[in-house]
Amino acid sequence: GAVVSQHPSRVICKSGTSVKIECRSLDFQATTMFWYRQFPKQSLMLMATSNEGSKATYEQGVEKDKFLINHASLTLSTLTVTSAHPEDSSFYICSARVEPGQGYNEQFFGPGTRLTVL
Amino acid sequence: AQRVTQPEKLLSVFKGAPVELKCNYSYSGSPELFWYVQYSRQRLQLLLRHISRESIKGFTADLNKGETSFHLKKPFAQEEDSAMYYCALSGSARQLTFGSGTQLTVLP
Repeated sequence: GAVVSQHPSRVICKSGTSVKIECRSLDFQATTMFWYRQFPKQSLMLMATSNEGSKATYEQGVEKDKFLINHASLTLSTLTVTSAHPEDSSFYICSARVEPGQGYNEQFFGPGTRLTVL
Repeated sequence: AQRVTQPEKLLSVFKGAPVELKCNYSYSGSPELFWYVQYSRQRLQLLLRHISRESIKGFTADLNKGETSFHLKKPFAQEEDSAMYYCALSGSARQLTFGSGTQLTVLP
């Protein structure tokens, strides 16, 4: 199956700093990637849809200036948490969708990034 | 709006017993339904999708539009089935909405 990687796997930062998380589709092209946030023992909440070459679409309640998304190529999307605060501490997961032309509508998930803001 | 409900946060069964993980959805159009599984310390992965009508690792799920359900079933649970299971729905926007998940524990 298709493989999605995330880097870093975990990051600890000080309050007020910015953190960038990368999501890569390793063996397929993904015009659409998704960013999720998962709190402990809770489900995945969609934050935004990342579209290659255009602006991301954010879900209601997600601050676009806080969570900057860039999808510069068909295999890379980045999420930057700007001016991070302790409440931003969470598990961030990305997924990449295999487009219908490549088979079927299925999302492949990255392993996630654990962000801890001190 | 689309919503997925998994009423059971935790479910424990003994090895060899049947297991059913419940999933109900709310969506005005024709949804695509999925079951994803997350084993301990591993990433989320697709278990099965309703359009494939397949059995994966002994699991099956039938879409019941009348009851708006997509329950996951396995006749004989195995210890290696212990994991977190998420039901998910994809609507016309092709985004996934996840249920809250059910932690399945298969006891020896």
